[in-house]
Amino acid sequence: QSVLTQPPSVSGAPGQRVTISCTGSSSNIGAGYDVHWYQQLPGTAPKLLIYGNNNRPSGVPDRFSGSKSGTSASLAISGLQAEDEADYYCQSYDSSLSGYVFGTGTKVTVL
Amino acid sequence: QVQLQQWGAGLLKPSETLSLSCAVYGGSFSGHYWSWIRQPPGKGLEWIGEINHRGNTNYNPSLKSRVTISVDTSKNQFSLKLNSVTAADTAVYYCATRGTVSTNWFDPWGQGTLVTVSS
Repeated sequence: QSVLTQPPSVSGAPGQRVTISCTGSSSNIGAGYDVHWYQQLPGTAPKLLIYGNNNRPSGVPDRFSGSKSGTSASLAISGLQAEDEADYYCQSYDSSLSGYVFGTGTKVTVL
Repeated sequence: QVQLQQWGAGLLKPSETLSLSCAVYGGSFSGHYWSWIRQPPGKGLEWIGEINHRGNTNYNPSLKSRVTISVDTSKNQFSLKLNSVTAADTAVYYCATRGTVSTNWFDPWGQGTLVTVSS
């Protein structure tokens, strides 16, 4: 059950900037819980992309950035590259469910 | 650097019990929380539950009545059992860790196991 809503797809030309929104509620993002982002390439396990709203693990290019405000969060990819074509998921904690929740997922297409 | 290696049966009949295991290599087993997450074909991710080295568990309320997660600290392994499976339980199942009690993101993940429920 996805309680975090993302757009099904976004697209952009190489070099462009795209953003992916993640909309939650007062029991998850709005309650102050951090948002994390994952990149899932076809046929592979998700990989941590952003943690703690806006922190990049070692090895993740600085083209990827995250932000959070109110009950929503966003992932931005600048200088879009062909290798960025993947599915992206946000994740947080929900106090009403007492568990971890993921977004509905967004497919990024590089035109 | 923690690495996770998972295994288990990939084809089940309805009403059978799903059983998967995950071995932890490198890093610290104690003090971490070990999770199971699943992804139906073409769909999004769903957190199933977690356990720590003491055996303390947290489960997704929607699956709690059918799920058991256990730990074997002598082997640095943890396991998932999901009983009374149906076609709706067909998914790729991942093991993952969210690190310590103060972290709530998942990294790293296992390679995933496709479990298909079909008569």
